[in-house]
Amino acid sequence: QKEVEQDPGPLSVPEGAIVSLNCTYSNSAFQYFMWYRQYSRKGPELLMYTYSSGNKEDGRFTAQVDKSSKYISLFIRDSQPSDSATYLCAMIKGAQKLVFGQGTRLTINP
Amino acid sequence: DVKVTQSSRYLVKRTGEKVFLECVQDMDHENMFWYRQDPGLGLRLIYFSYDVKMKEKGDIPEGYSVSREKKERFSLILESASTNQTSMYLCASAIVGYEQYFGPGTRLTVT
Repeated sequence: QKEVEQDPGPLSVPEGAIVSLNCTYSNSAFQYFMWYRQYSRKGPELLMYTYSSGNKEDGRFTAQVDKSSKYISLFIRDSQPSDSATYLCAMIKGAQKLVFGQGTRLTINP
Repeated sequence: DVKVTQSSRYLVKRTGEKVFLECVQDMDHENMFWYRQDPGLGLRLIYFSYDVKMKEKGDIPEGYSVSREKKERFSLILESASTNQTSMYLCASAIVGYEQYFGPGTRLTVT
């Protein structure tokens, strides 16, 4: 069983829709939870990180962590075509080692 | 802005060749990382370094080695390239592990 599970999609939604992206994990030792965005032929870029359970908002993006269910989510409000990318969840174990989900490929249709 | 650069965007090598992938960061970060990214498998950590000349194995170090002689530069070495090392290789640097900055990647094909 993978430590971090993420539905690879693809996910296609119309412009303006609310997008929900999710990951589940099995290791209760994870403490920091990250979302990265990766455009085609580019390296991943950090969108947000959260520590422990709760919500964190940054503009149109909200990250949510539920440690009791071992479940994290990223919500995108008022989605734009420029949000089309692959979204990767990641979690950290120990001081340095990130464990990534497979990534979900998202397309926002104008 | 943090800048992480990788020496090549695309590389084609033959089986058995020794391959060097270079990564340079300009933000004086202590920590640097090498990952490979494969469809269906996501990013997997090969090696990381938390200081000059210091290194630790990641989850898939077999067939790879690394070198960090200067703080800004971290090299990944494929001692004898094999076809199963065809992949996208991504370098990252960080002050703290949860805030990693990635380079653009090197797509390596081994024939």
